[in-house]
Amino acid sequence: AQTVTQSQPEMSVQEAETVTLSCTYDTSENNYYLFWYKQPPSRQMILVIRQEAYKQQNATENRFSVNFQKAAKSFSLKISDSQLGDTAMYFCALGSSNTGKLIFGQGTTLQVKP
Amino acid sequence: NAGVMQNPRHLVRRRGQEARLRCSPMKGHSHVYWYRQLPEEGLKFMVYLQKENIIDESGMPKERFSAEFPKEGPSILRIQQVVRGDSAAYFCASSPPLAGVEQFFGPGTRLTVL
Repeated sequence: AQTVTQSQPEMSVQEAETVTLSCTYDTSENNYYLFWYKQPPSRQMILVIRQEAYKQQNATENRFSVNFQKAAKSFSLKISDSQLGDTAMYFCALGSSNTGKLIFGQGTTLQVKP
Repeated sequence: NAGVMQNPRHLVRRRGQEARLRCSPMKGHSHVYWYRQLPEEGLKFMVYLQKENIIDESGMPKERFSAEFPKEGPSILRIQQVVRGDSAAYFCASSPPLAGVEQFFGPGTRLTVL
């Protein structure tokens, strides 16, 4: 079975500081994809960053980067220079190239404080 | 290019009534996914459809729930004889016909069962 675990229900960070959100997963597949989605109070699901499992290089999107440790099945998200607009619920998700569906973690609520 | 459209955004039903949720995927997307989000939880996969076909319904409750994606028109998630436990946010996502690409989410339908 595929599972995704986010062990930090809540996190807070001061504006302009850096924060790292943790995610571990389990899958028996060789071809899979990992995602971080952001859900602000509007509840819209917004893709933050995407990582293909076959790529060793960690994905980066502006202030967002990941630390992908395939052997450890770990996929953490680092947010640099945190902004007030980063306040949201963040979900880690595992995507199967076979089935297409996404398996989501429980989410981490991030509060950016001024 | 319009995003994924869902309607209604809010739906209130009394116990025993039927709920019909609609999803129009992004232009060019032939894959549709439905997810359910209970309060304070992550999204849970329900069903994956392509035009006129149900590909994976492993997350659908065995009774009262059904989904379709006809050749013409939106995808429909139908819940018969709703109960209070069906109260949740229901998200639709679409993707083009390539495995591993990101899923684009609609704004969700919040169903409240009185």
